[in-house]
Amino acid sequence: ETGVTQTPRHLVMGMTNKKSLKCEQHLGHNAMYWYKQSAKKPLELMFVYSLEERVENNSVPSRFSPECPNSSHLFLHLHTLQPEDSALYLCASSQVLGLAGEGGGANVLTFGAGSRLTVL
Amino acid sequence: GQNIDQPTEMTATEGAIVQINCTYQTSGFNGLFWYQQHAGEAPTFLSYNVLDGLEEKGRFSSFLSRSKGYSYLLLKELQMKDSASYLCAGLDSNYQLIWGAGTKLIIKP
Repeated sequence: ETGVTQTPRHLVMGMTNKKSLKCEQHLGHNAMYWYKQSAKKPLELMFVYSLEERVENNSVPSRFSPECPNSSHLFLHLHTLQPEDSALYLCASSQVLGLAGEGGGANVLTFGAGSRLTVL
Repeated sequence: GQNIDQPTEMTATEGAIVQINCTYQTSGFNGLFWYQQHAGEAPTFLSYNVLDGLEEKGRFSSFLSRSKGYSYLLLKELQMKDSASYLCAGLDSNYQLIWGAGTKLIIKP
């Protein structure tokens, strides 16, 4: 497989459930990201990992817990979510973090197709 | 604060030309990106501008004016498959992407 793969594509969960979203990239990228996409709103950056270390957490509630076991895999663990957490969760990767070069260079993001989450 | 503004929705006719505008306010500037996102699919990279001027890639062109904090994406010879959302994002001095809410482009026959 190539690119960024996310599973599951759709998830429905109750507020007391625990579930996980998975992201896998086969691009040899060193930075991985979780974004939240809600209708008619800008993409919200949730977490950033560079070389498997978390470098940014944009004040995300603790009911979202990321995990990056290696540079190819990223998880988002979900626990006691709220209905307002229903959204499309996008995973992305880039070559490295924090550099700009010709053609956008290392900051060009490759996205997965997303996991559509519905919290009941 | 940092902000990206772009129209919510635009409609155009197949075969025509459409220009999607984006204005940005960022803390420092390291370039501006355009991404395309078809419904239910991943956003995909279209263009990156860091210097003033027009960059052309086939039917798509992107323009940047740093002094005006302004960019546009120009789509020529529109095809039905160009119906999608177009996301504008600025890269600030910390190399953080600031995203607009996206412009939904509807192409009519």
